[in-house]
Amino acid sequence: AQKITQTQPGMFVQEKEAVTLDCTYDTSDPSYGLFWYKQPSSGEMIFLIYQGSYDQQNATEGRYSLNFQKARKSANLVISASQLGDSAMYFCAMREGPGVQGAQKLVFGQGTRLTINP
Amino acid sequence: DTGVSQDPRHKITKRGQNVTFRCDPISEHNRLYWYRQTLGQGPEFLTYFQNEAQLEKSRLLSDRFSAERPKGSFSTLEIQRTEQGDSAMYLCASSRQGATDTQYFGPGTRLTVL
Repeated sequence: AQKITQTQPGMFVQEKEAVTLDCTYDTSDPSYGLFWYKQPSSGEMIFLIYQGSYDQQNATEGRYSLNFQKARKSANLVISASQLGDSAMYFCAMREGPGVQGAQKLVFGQGTRLTINP
Repeated sequence: DTGVSQDPRHKITKRGQNVTFRCDPISEHNRLYWYRQTLGQGPEFLTYFQNEAQLEKSRLLSDRFSAERPKGSFSTLEIQRTEQGDSAMYLCASSRQGATDTQYFGPGTRLTVL
């Protein structure tokens, strides 16, 4: 069974610093997708970044990058130059199988609450 | 670009009542998902549709829960005979069939059962 583990319940970071949010996963499927979502206090889940299991390079989207270490089964999110607006819950999620084969559910971790201090 | 919308945003009901939520996906997305999120937890999968076909239902989805997606467009999630344990945020997401199959979420419906 697929599983996502986020071991940091809370993180506190000074504004403008970089922050790394940890995520480890477990799956027996060789093909999978890893996602990071941001959930502000308003409740909406906002997609940040995607990494496919066969992608050769780490994904990047603006200030977000994904440190993908396949052998260690980790997919850590790195936020560079943090801003006050980055304060939110962050969830790591995994989908087994490629999306073209049929709709697949996401399995989420417990989340990490990130607080950016001015 | 219109995102996923959900209605209502908030619902307060008394135990034993029936409630229905609606989700309108992004227009070109053929896949639609329902998740439930309780306080302090990550979302948990409930069910999903590909076009109008309901392909999988979680064991969390008891026989009091039913979901439909007529004509493969909007979807409804109905909870019959609500219980206090049903209080949660109900999230809808949609995706377009493809390699990444990224799911985009709506704002959610927060249900409170008194």
